[in-house]
Amino acid sequence: EVQVVESGGGLVQPGGSLRLSCVASGFTFSGSWMSWVRQAPGKGLEWVANINQDGSEKQHVASARGRFTISRDNAKSSVYLQMNSLRAEDTAIYYCARGGFTYDFWGHGTLVTVSS
Amino acid sequence: EIVLTQSPGTLSLSPGEKATLSCRASQIITRSQLVWYQQKPGQAPRLLIYDASSRATGTPDTFSGSGSGTDFTLTISRLEPEDFAVYYCQQYSSSPLTFGGGTKVEIK
Repeated sequence: EVQVVESGGGLVQPGGSLRLSCVASGFTFSGSWMSWVRQAPGKGLEWVANINQDGSEKQHVASARGRFTISRDNAKSSVYLQMNSLRAEDTAIYYCARGGFTYDFWGHGTLVTVSS
Repeated sequence: EIVLTQSPGTLSLSPGEKATLSCRASQIITRSQLVWYQQKPGQAPRLLIYDASSRATGTPDTFSGSGSGTDFTLTISRLEPEDFAVYYCQQYSSSPLTFGGGTKVEIK
């Protein structure tokens, strides 16, 4: 059974940092693109970042470029999102999903709240 | 950036009725690179349709996708109680990947 489980969310002050983690199982992780997608409270979905199978290709949404970094560790079947210089508008549920461009399996998400 | 506009914002229908959801793109989406997701309250989105018209594994045949270019449609031929949810379209024709704002299908 495919599973994707996120962790690392929480309350952080503006300007602070968080590192989100996502552990996957039930499929060949090293053969899959992975992505982060977020959803602000009561709002729609926004793609944040994706990474290819060996980590050599990465893309980030413009609003996160220079602040967020996606990475992966295939030995641990894990993908990460390092988030620095957080802003109030980054408050959202962050979903980890399998796929680089379309997403067939999603985790339940981890909530990031940026507030003083 | 391709902007996706979904309409209507909310669709109020009764079980058994047909639902027609629209997704209009600001630029041509090549190779029908558009998908549809369903999201229920408190849950992650679920992939329903890919490549504009192909049903994902587990998607009932009451769901169908159509369209090309800039105009796409998700049709639910006969609404079941579990179909009342929010539906999002998403394009992967060009970067950045973008989602529509969603259509909520609610019980009338």
